[in-house]
Amino acid sequence: QVQLEESGGGVVQPGGSLRLSCGASGFTFRTYAMHWVRQAPGKGLEWVAVISVDGKDFHYADSVKGRFTISRDNSKNTLSLQMNSLRTEDTAVYFCARDPGTAAHYYFDYWGHGTLVTVSS
Amino acid sequence: EIVLTQSPATLSLSPGERVTLSCRASQSVTSYLAWYQQKPGQAPRLLIYDASKRATGIPGRFSGSGSGTDFTLTISSLEPEDFAVYYCQQRSNWPRITFGQGTRLEIK
Repeated sequence: QVQLEESGGGVVQPGGSLRLSCGASGFTFRTYAMHWVRQAPGKGLEWVAVISVDGKDFHYADSVKGRFTISRDNSKNTLSLQMNSLRTEDTAVYFCARDPGTAAHYYFDYWGHGTLVTVSS
Repeated sequence: EIVLTQSPATLSLSPGERVTLSCRASQSVTSYLAWYQQKPGQAPRLLIYDASKRATGIPGRFSGSGSGTDFTLTISSLEPEDFAVYYCQQRSNWPRITFGQGTRLEIK
């Protein structure tokens, strides 16, 4: 069955950096676009970033553009999110999520359990 | 940015009842709308995509309808496991994806 497992969350000071990873199994990872979606504590969902199947095309939410970088390693079935210049408003649970298609459809049909990132001094 | 407004914010109902949740877009999203269910401490689950298509494994009591700016999610007969928060999401003007603020469905 499809499984996505995030790791790398933790507590970081404002201005700091963190790298999240998402390990995928149970499907042919290299044939699906992948996303990061986040949820601030007690709040709604916010899409963060998407990456194409070959890793060459990506898009970001305006709120993270220039600070976050999405990447993937298809040989290791791993999705990553490098987060720099973190702000308190980046505090959230970060989910990796699979797109239903090879070309991004921008829906999310499978999700990981999420990893909590807390930005605080 | 397309704003999605869900109503009501909270709904209190009993198992067996029929419920309709609403999602209104600030501009047309044609049929590019999805619904998700989220239970406490869990990831969201895709229920409906393209306004009316049920995702894999979703029970037939869930149905979606609408186009343009007005959409509904209907649960024909509530089961105990359906009490959760429901979010709509549009992909019409990707990559500027947006979600609604959610409707909490609670047991009366």
